[in-house]
Amino acid sequence: DAGVTQSPTHLIKTRGQQVTLRCSPKSGHDTVSWYQQALGQGPQFIFQYYEEEERQRGNFPDRFSGHQFPNYSSELNVNALLLGDSALYLCASSTPGTVNEKLFFGSGTQLSVL
Amino acid sequence: TQLLEQSPQFLSIQEGENLTVYCNSSSVFSSLQWYRQEPGEGPVLLVTVVTGGEVKKLKRLTFQFGDARKDSSLHITAAQPGDTGLYLCAGAGLRGTYKYIFGTGTRLKVLA
Repeated sequence: DAGVTQSPTHLIKTRGQQVTLRCSPKSGHDTVSWYQQALGQGPQFIFQYYEEEERQRGNFPDRFSGHQFPNYSSELNVNALLLGDSALYLCASSTPGTVNEKLFFGSGTQLSVL
Repeated sequence: TQLLEQSPQFLSIQEGENLTVYCNSSSVFSSLQWYRQEPGEGPVLLVTVVTGGEVKKLKRLTFQFGDARKDSSLHITAAQPGDTGLYLCAGAGLRGTYKYIFGTGTRLKVLA
């Protein structure tokens, strides 16, 4: 049973460019959440997708957008990259149901913006 | 805004010592989770506590949820080098919200 898979594992971009990160959830999970983790910090919630719609959003600008596909996989897009966007981007999938659902994380995509 | 502050931020101890990590907030959470994250990996769930005052044990790790569901602690007995990692608490919001608020993290290093 494959867990949460993310691609690519590492990415280097320059300021102003656009990036797309991908996530495949754990089998049986239909909810995908994206987090940004700066070096030495805890993950910060970007948004959550359920039934192909953005269900909730954190305090991130519109440059951050996402999508969920019918097979529950998801993409995170970041436009007009800034140096401050350099971080580990984590995808977490979870089971449907209550608010107290368990999150299963992928290994993340390390994004460096030069 | 719900914030979770963890203390200490960094901790370096010798193998065999005991330690406690704290997770505090001014907000009430419906549940609280503890994760451990190793370099190059995503966080891995250790435990979920739901009821105020609840205590859960996972081998040498003891987790407690505060009576008011605003704080939590993680106690490790006889720490081992394998316990090294970043410990994160995460609070689930009150009914109607779906996001988890993560704490600032405690980086633990256990020296052999």
